[in-house]
Amino acid sequence: KAGVTQTPRYLIKTRGQQVTLSCSPISGHRSVSWYQQTPGQGLQFLFEYFSETQRNKGNFPGRFSGRQFSNSRSEMNVSTLELGDSALYLCASSLDGNPDRHEQYFGPGTRLTVT
Amino acid sequence: AQSVTQPDIHITVSEGASLELRCNYSYGATPYLFWYVQSPGQGLQLLLKYFSGDTLVQGIKGFEAEFKRSQSSFNLRKPSVHWSDAAEYFCAVGAPNAGNMLTFGGGTRLMVKP
Repeated sequence: KAGVTQTPRYLIKTRGQQVTLSCSPISGHRSVSWYQQTPGQGLQFLFEYFSETQRNKGNFPGRFSGRQFSNSRSEMNVSTLELGDSALYLCASSLDGNPDRHEQYFGPGTRLTVT
Repeated sequence: AQSVTQPDIHITVSEGASLELRCNYSYGATPYLFWYVQSPGQGLQLLLKYFSGDTLVQGIKGFEAEFKRSQSSFNLRKPSVHWSDAAEYFCAVGAPNAGNMLTFGGGTRLMVKP
């Protein structure tokens, strides 16, 4: 069974641009979560989608948005990029978004560098 | 709001020695508690989790953790460390009815001396 796939794996963007990152969950998984990992702030929750609906949202500005498609694939978008958005963006999927029943599996991440 | 503290940023142990990584959390009720491991260039892998019941939980790769409500702690232990255990370890807390929204600690980087 294939794991969580994130594309692209590496990305370099310029300040002010926007970026879209993609996540393909494990087949059959309906919950997708996104996290940002930086050396300064650590791992921070961005948002969680379940069956195309945003179920939870972290404390990030509106420049960060996401969506989930009917096949459970998810994208996150960051508009008007800032240097501080440079980070490893991790996606995770689980069967039903209930951590006491089903484990959450993480992808390898997308490394975004903003110059 | 919930929070997680991992007091040790770096720990170095000799191969074969025992290991304990500390984790303290802040949460009003009984939380969901997790330990994850991250190897360089990799995503996170779940080592073990606690939701309720027996306070000593066993995980993969020979790890165990003990939930101590009175100390708000969930420390990770391993009786004998292998060189392949060198990685970064993260403690995380979640909550019932909060889906997969987790709050992570800052992480502890483990180095293993031969």
